[in-house]
Amino acid sequence: DTAVSQTPKYLVTQMGNDKSIKCEQNLGHDTMYWYKQDSKKFLKIMFSYNNKELIINETVPNRFSPKSPDKAHLNLHINSLELGDSAVYFCASSQSGSGSNEQFFGPGTRLTVL
Amino acid sequence: QKEVEQNSGPLSVPEGAIASLNCTYSDRGSQSFFWYRQYSGKSPELIMFIYSNGDKEDGRFTAQLNKASQYVSLLIRDSQPSDSATYLCAVKAPPELIFGAGTRLAVHP
Repeated sequence: DTAVSQTPKYLVTQMGNDKSIKCEQNLGHDTMYWYKQDSKKFLKIMFSYNNKELIINETVPNRFSPKSPDKAHLNLHINSLELGDSAVYFCASSQSGSGSNEQFFGPGTRLTVL
Repeated sequence: QKEVEQNSGPLSVPEGAIASLNCTYSDRGSQSFFWYRQYSGKSPELIMFIYSNGDKEDGRFTAQLNKASQYVSLLIRDSQPSDSATYLCAVKAPPELIFGAGTRLAVHP
């Protein structure tokens, strides 16, 4: 059983296009996250949603917008893609108030902007 | 700005040796500390978490925390080639979980 899933796994697209990455978790967690991992492997938080409310919004360009239709899904929409957006994007989820506060990561989506 | 610092490595150790991975953090308000392992091309997975000063052991792994020095470490005993990966230190500084850049560990036979 897949705990946190993302689609697509790979995404190759042209500059200026708009794309979406989907994320779903079946763990019953109440918080979901999007991270960006660049070529230097630095993992940086972009957004998190808790019970459908945005609770972290780092200084990412407003071309990036998270959409959460329900607490099991957090999709990432990216408008007007730029070369610098090329990275691996990870979705994660956790349960607030749990002892470990462990975040479970999805398999990642490798985005390449040409 | 909240920061988590790690030596990027690579840290090369022979099979069977102890690997020692270190991490420092800037925010004294940090509450909990995590070590994630990430194999190349894969997603991070949690190995250990620690909240209190001192040592916490789980199998071959020991996490050590010193809040006064703002320092957390991970020891891997009897290192195996399968331990070769990037180890990410993460610090909970509410509301954020801040990751270091990771230390690449290479265990050679």
